[in-house]
Amino acid sequence: GAGVSQTPSNKVTEKGKYVELRCDPISGHTALYWYRQSLGQGPEFLIYFQGTGAADDSGLPNDRFFAVRPEGSVSTLKIQRTERGDSAVYLCASSLQGLGETQYFGPGTRLLVL
Amino acid sequence: AQTVTQSQPEMSVQEAETVTLSCTYDTSESNYYLFWYKQPPSRQMILVIRQEAYKQQNATENRFSVNFQKAAKSFSLKISDSQLGDTAMYFCAFMNNDMRFGAGTRLTVKP
Repeated sequence: GAGVSQTPSNKVTEKGKYVELRCDPISGHTALYWYRQSLGQGPEFLIYFQGTGAADDSGLPNDRFFAVRPEGSVSTLKIQRTERGDSAVYLCASSLQGLGETQYFGPGTRLLVL
Repeated sequence: AQTVTQSQPEMSVQEAETVTLSCTYDTSESNYYLFWYKQPPSRQMILVIRQEAYKQQNATENRFSVNFQKAAKSFSLKISDSQLGDTAMYFCAFMNNDMRFGAGTRLTVKP
């Protein structure tokens, strides 16, 4: 596709459930980023992949959050034992190479934990 | 840690007029990048303009320009000839080891 895509666009789940959010970056982009955007706030960095490996995961809030990018393209953000405070828009971005390059964002997944 | 401050939660401007959005940041680094992103109600973050800290010349993109003051750690966005389609949230962002965003400014362009 021409841009970054994210699925699903909306996800409603119950407290305690497990969710997976998917990001499909721009073809050929080696760097991929996940952000969380709470209502009325700017995006907050979660994790950055360079190829298949997590180059920086310092933004993950706790061990319930995990992300993978096994083939260096599609990435999945996984949240275990969801809590109401996890409700937010989860944004994915990709860039051609690494830090310093312009990041191109997907439309986000809005997660609502009831 | 780097922080980004946008002191104007909301701004409005008449169509065809000029508006300036403020952004300041705090860092001890000398090499970094600064961005302005636009986020319309569709949620898609769209790059407006980018500035490399090592460049003294202010970046411009058509109706959008920045006033980058490195010593003052200030990076304001000027929108000239405002259009109704410019109505959106605008986020200032700082990139060094990672990307930090400000809280945003909601801009409304009035007809």
